[in-house]
Amino acid sequence: AQKVTQAQTEISVVEKEDVTLDCVYETRDTTYYLFWYKQPPSGELVFLIRRNSFDEQNEISGRYSWNFQKSTSSFNFTITASQVVDSAVYFCALSEAGGANSKLTFGKGITLSVRP
Amino acid sequence: EPEVTQTPSHQVTQMGQEVILRCVPISNHLYFYWYRQILGQKVEFLVSFYNNEISEKSEIFDDQFSVERPDGSNFTLKIRSTKLEDSAMYFCASKGGSGGAGTQYFGPGTRLTVL
Repeated sequence: AQKVTQAQTEISVVEKEDVTLDCVYETRDTTYYLFWYKQPPSGELVFLIRRNSFDEQNEISGRYSWNFQKSTSSFNFTITASQVVDSAVYFCALSEAGGANSKLTFGKGITLSVRP
Repeated sequence: EPEVTQTPSHQVTQMGQEVILRCVPISNHLYFYWYRQILGQKVEFLVSFYNNEISEKSEIFDDQFSVERPDGSNFTLKIRSTKLEDSAMYFCASKGGSGGAGTQYFGPGTRLTVL
């Protein structure tokens, strides 16, 4: 069975601070996919990134960066120089396979509040 | 940019009534999903659908639930007899990708309130 743990529930930072959101996953599969989604106050789920299990390269996209470490089963997300618009709930998710049977298992989410 | 759409955005119904939630997936996608999120909780998988049949369903997806792709564009979730605990945000998602190894893109959700 697959499981995603986001131990942090709420994080509050002041604008321009860096913040890291932690994600730890469990799976028996050797091929899997990891995702981060953002849920702003308006409620929609916005895709941020997908990472394949066989690609451990870290990724940077503007102020966002992701650190994937298979050795610790972690896929952490860092926002550099946070902004008020980053305030949202962030979900880490895991999919064990491609194809139709590739349901997403979500963590409980981390509520990030960025204060001006 | 193509996107998943859902209607209605908010549905209020009485307990025991049937509701149909509608989704229009991204046009060239082949894999379709429904998830739900009870207020303040995590997003939970309900069902996946491919090639006109259910691929996988969760324990939540009992006999009260059904899905259908009635035409080439819509994907619907029906709850036959709603219960109070069905109150939640329901998200539709679709996925393309070769062999299905793609990203699920979500619609904006339908908030269902059962009174």
